[in-house]
Amino acid sequence: RKEVEQDPGPFNVPEGATVAFNCTYSNSASQSFFWYRQDCRKEPKLLMSVYSSGNEDGRFTAQLNRASQYISLLIRDSKLSDSATYLCAVDKLVFGAGTILRVKS
Amino acid sequence: DVKVTQSSRYLVKRTGEKVFLECVQDMDHENMFWYRQDPGLGLRLIYFSYDVKMKEKGDIPEGYSVSREKKERFSLILESASTNQTSMYLCASSFSRGFSEKLFFGSGTQLSVL
Repeated sequence: RKEVEQDPGPFNVPEGATVAFNCTYSNSASQSFFWYRQDCRKEPKLLMSVYSSGNEDGRFTAQLNRASQYISLLIRDSKLSDSATYLCAVDKLVFGAGTILRVKS
Repeated sequence: DVKVTQSSRYLVKRTGEKVFLECVQDMDHENMFWYRQDPGLGLRLIYFSYDVKMKEKGDIPEGYSVSREKKERFSLILESASTNQTSMYLCASSFSRGFSEKLFFGSGTQLSVL
């Protein structure tokens, strides 16, 4: 079993839609969780950290479910510019393979 | 802004060549990392370093070595390049050892081994 798993997608959604991704992790002792965004042929950049209480940044909400060992990313009112690959990372070092999001007009 | 600079954007090498990938960060970060990224496999950690002259193996260190003679520079070495080392290589840095520290990535080196 991989340490961190993501649905590769692609998720094809219309502009304005709400979309959610999950990321499961295998190590119950994991302490920190992140979502990164990676545009085509670019490097990953931090989107947001994921705290135990969850956190929100504008249209983006990240949540942690320790009991079921997954983190989630919710994007509301999707924009064309949200099209990218979303990578989850656990304990800074371990990354998932990413979920592709395509927002279409 | 933190800048992590990788010396080459694209590199083409022949099987058996010794290859050096250089990475420099300008924010006095303690920690530096080398990943490779392949379709469907995501980012896999090759080596990392928490201090000068210090290195630790990641998940896939075989066929690679690293050097960190100065704090700002972390080099990845392919001793004898093979075709299965064709990949995107990403260098990253972070300020401290804490798990809560985010990573800053360089723009990557696409290496092709022929």
